[in-house]
Amino acid sequence: DAGITQSPRYKITETGRQVTLMCHQTWSHSYMFWYRQDLGHGLRLIYYSAAADITDKGEVPDGYVVSRSKTENFPLTLESATRSQTSVYFCASRTAPPTYEQYFGPGTRLTVT
Amino acid sequence: KNEVEQSPQNLTAQEGEFITINCSYSVGISALHWLQQHPGGGIVSLFMLSSGKKKHGRLIATINIQEKHSSLHITASHPRDSAVYICAVPGSQGNLIFGKGTKLSVKP
Repeated sequence: DAGITQSPRYKITETGRQVTLMCHQTWSHSYMFWYRQDLGHGLRLIYYSAAADITDKGEVPDGYVVSRSKTENFPLTLESATRSQTSVYFCASRTAPPTYEQYFGPGTRLTVT
Repeated sequence: KNEVEQSPQNLTAQEGEFITINCSYSVGISALHWLQQHPGGGIVSLFMLSSGKKKHGRLIATINIQEKHSSLHITASHPRDSAVYICAVPGSQGNLIFGKGTKLSVKP
């Protein structure tokens, strides 16, 4: 399928477990992002990547790890999940200049018990 | 860091009403985005605009760069317009910085 996909769509895990959220895009966009969406905070940037093997922290990176060995994939790992990481996670990719339009995946709803 | 404020936070309207959602930001930008999120759904881009006005169907977005303000208007609102509308501006990391959203409910 063309576009940007995320898996799983829903995940329940226990405190302390490692969880990986997957993100795949078919457009070969250089920039990719992970955001989390929480009531009262809106969407906040966790990590971003400007290209394969180039990643950097966003606003709320603590407790998360990312990698980007291939342009099309940008997995997000919660090394030891905590209840405060219960959230909806969105992956996004961005077109090149001059449009700078962002496209969002469908989201992953993660519950940490 | 750019601060993005939206108003109102919640909005209930009757079908057919004209709706306005406002967005203001603190730092000058090159373009502003309006996004839509249906309940339990993903996020889709409605508009990206850098000046003046854009129109798609019943949706109109305007921006005043000097005043750092944008508005999203919906004419002849319909229950299917019920969604969260989010304003966003470019961040320094190639990302977007988002407002907290306006939850719109249109009653039949």
